[in-house]
Amino acid sequence: AQSVTQLDSHVSVSEGTPVLLRCNYSSSYSPSLFWYVQHPNKGLQLLLKYTSAATLVKGINGFEAEFKKSETSFHLTKPSAHMSDAAEYFCVVSDRIQGAQKLVFGQGTRLTINP
Amino acid sequence: SQTIHQWPATLVQPVGSPLSLECTVEGTSNPNLYWYRQAAGRGLQLLFYSVGIGQISSEVPQNLSASRPQDRQFILSSKKLLLSDSGFYLCAWNRARITGELFFGEGSRLTVL
Repeated sequence: AQSVTQLDSHVSVSEGTPVLLRCNYSSSYSPSLFWYVQHPNKGLQLLLKYTSAATLVKGINGFEAEFKKSETSFHLTKPSAHMSDAAEYFCVVSDRIQGAQKLVFGQGTRLTINP
Repeated sequence: SQTIHQWPATLVQPVGSPLSLECTVEGTSNPNLYWYRQAAGRGLQLLFYSVGIGQISSEVPQNLSASRPQDRQFILSSKKLLLSDSGFYLCAWNRARITGELFFGEGSRLTVL
């Protein structure tokens, strides 16, 4: 079965400093991986996705992630944090289920931005 | 463009009362539809998915049920709510037979008292 582990439940950085949110995955085949962001009491928005093309994936709002098969990792980074980046971030792996698609979510990482 | 609507946005219900959350998708046909639940401080858990009208698959045994009376309508129901049903419920869709991301609604927050 597919699974993801987000290594930090909470990350706090200062505005203007780099962001690193860590994610490791477990998959029996080449996975599709995603990062979603959720602002308080809102739905989820896709930041970026990896689907076996380029290993460095660029997303919205300056975020990017690198797929490293040897390390089974898909860490999310951003060079310079902005106050609006404060939110919950989910690393997600997809699995096929009888014609549909099951997204398996990590437990989430809460990102706090300090002024 | 495609849009997804969920309602109500918030709901406070007593234990033992019924529940109906509705979700509709516009701008596409024959989507795959999903219900997820997010408990406080936790990730999302897939509850139900549907690949067509009247076709419902359940991922976890629970007090809830789902129905798909029309192609772009997905309903989450309960006959008698439990305290443990409290949470944030998210509807999502994607294009059938296409791998890729899910598109989520804004969510419905249910509090059972």
